[in-house]
Amino acid sequence: GDSVTQMEGPVTLSEEAFLTINCTYTATGYPSLFWYVQYPGEGLQLLLKATKADDKGSNKGFEATYRKETTSFHLEKGSVQVSDSAVYFCALSSRGRYDKVIFGPGTSLSVIP
Amino acid sequence: GAVVSQHPSWVICKSGTSVKIECRSLDFQATTMFWYRQFPKQSLMLMATSNEGSKATYEQGVEKDKFLINHASLTLSTLTVTSAHPEDSSFYICSARPTGSDEQYFGPGTRLTVT
Repeated sequence: GDSVTQMEGPVTLSEEAFLTINCTYTATGYPSLFWYVQYPGEGLQLLLKATKADDKGSNKGFEATYRKETTSFHLEKGSVQVSDSAVYFCALSSRGRYDKVIFGPGTSLSVIP
Repeated sequence: GAVVSQHPSWVICKSGTSVKIECRSLDFQATTMFWYRQFPKQSLMLMATSNEGSKATYEQGVEKDKFLINHASLTLSTLTVTSAHPEDSSFYICSARPTGSDEQYFGPGTRLTVT
């Protein structure tokens, strides 16, 4: 079945460091891909999404490119801030079954001043 | 906009009792709401999809008689954990999809502890 794998955390970075959180997926067909973020004490929020190969999703300085050839959707940010500390979830939604979103295990990010 | 609330945020109950968790869309109508379960350091697992006015659709392996879902209005869905046992202790998260939209908005979650 469809699944999402992402790098194990926790990840600790200094402020202004470069961030990469790896995400790979297994799916039949052509899924839509998402990154969700969960700040402490809050619900999940959609951070960015891409719906087809080579699409780049971006938001708040974060970017991820839908790579069909490597089945990946890695999250990147050039300069992280303390306020980016959160748990990040990679997820997919299979085309034709938009109701079902499958999540990766989440990666906890801590940014220290 | 697009705020989803859950109540309670945490609950402790004794084994054998039932507990109800509410999920509300505060500023939009949601034909469809979803219930997830999350174990520590694990992924969110979809338990069921509830559609307003109809029976919920449960994922394989989820006991529908144990996890009762009611979606009586376009802004409220409830999950009742019946005859709770310690293994039901978990973090339960709901999400709601605005009518006509393909995005989901998540609640903050409810921490259930069964003693």
